[in-house]
Amino acid sequence: GQNIDQPTEMTATEGAIVQINCTYQTSGFNGLFWYQQHAGEAPTFLSYNVLDGLEEKGRFSSFLSRSKGYSYLLLKELQMKDSASYLCAVRDSNYQLIWGAGTKLIIKP
Amino acid sequence: DVKVTQSSRYLVKRTGEKVFLECVQDMDHENMFWYRQDPGLGLRLIYFSYDVKMKEKGDIPEGYSVSREKKERFSLILESASTNQTSMYLCASSFGEDSGANVLTFGAGSRLTVL
Repeated sequence: GQNIDQPTEMTATEGAIVQINCTYQTSGFNGLFWYQQHAGEAPTFLSYNVLDGLEEKGRFSSFLSRSKGYSYLLLKELQMKDSASYLCAVRDSNYQLIWGAGTKLIIKP
Repeated sequence: DVKVTQSSRYLVKRTGEKVFLECVQDMDHENMFWYRQDPGLGLRLIYFSYDVKMKEKGDIPEGYSVSREKKERFSLILESASTNQTSMYLCASSFGEDSGANVLTFGAGSRLTVL
């Protein structure tokens, strides 16, 4: 079966750095996405990786290793507004998205 | 500002009722999707549509149907609501090209409670 694993919940301090991991086992691979979802709101697109390596976008970076079936989302200089759930999704060989259950990130002052 | 609008944020229905969830997008997207989101589970695809009057079953279509009469509108129908359909329903849309960073734009969700 296809599976995406992420930690259920993480806590970090304002101003710090946090890394949210995502491991996947899917039928083929055609890209990995990270979305952010604030409580009660729509998920919004953060990043996309299809090749190995690091993609940086401001305070957020996303890393991919296809051989290890592994990605992480790195958030720097954490702000209170970063408190949200972070969803990892992999596009499989049929171009269907397989979603992880999401990681709830709690930021403390 | 591009938008996917779901008409109802909160609904409470009784078992056996017919429920309509409406979704409208203003981005001229070809693809539209209905997901349900439950605690501890990833988003699960119910139905999707690549074009007007076209529909495809997702991973959990049982108990649901959809309608896409116009490009901008995708409706989810629960013919006879049951308590196990209590959930958050998310509508999403995307451009037709199914490759690259073809991201989904989501609506804010419709939280349905079936009593």
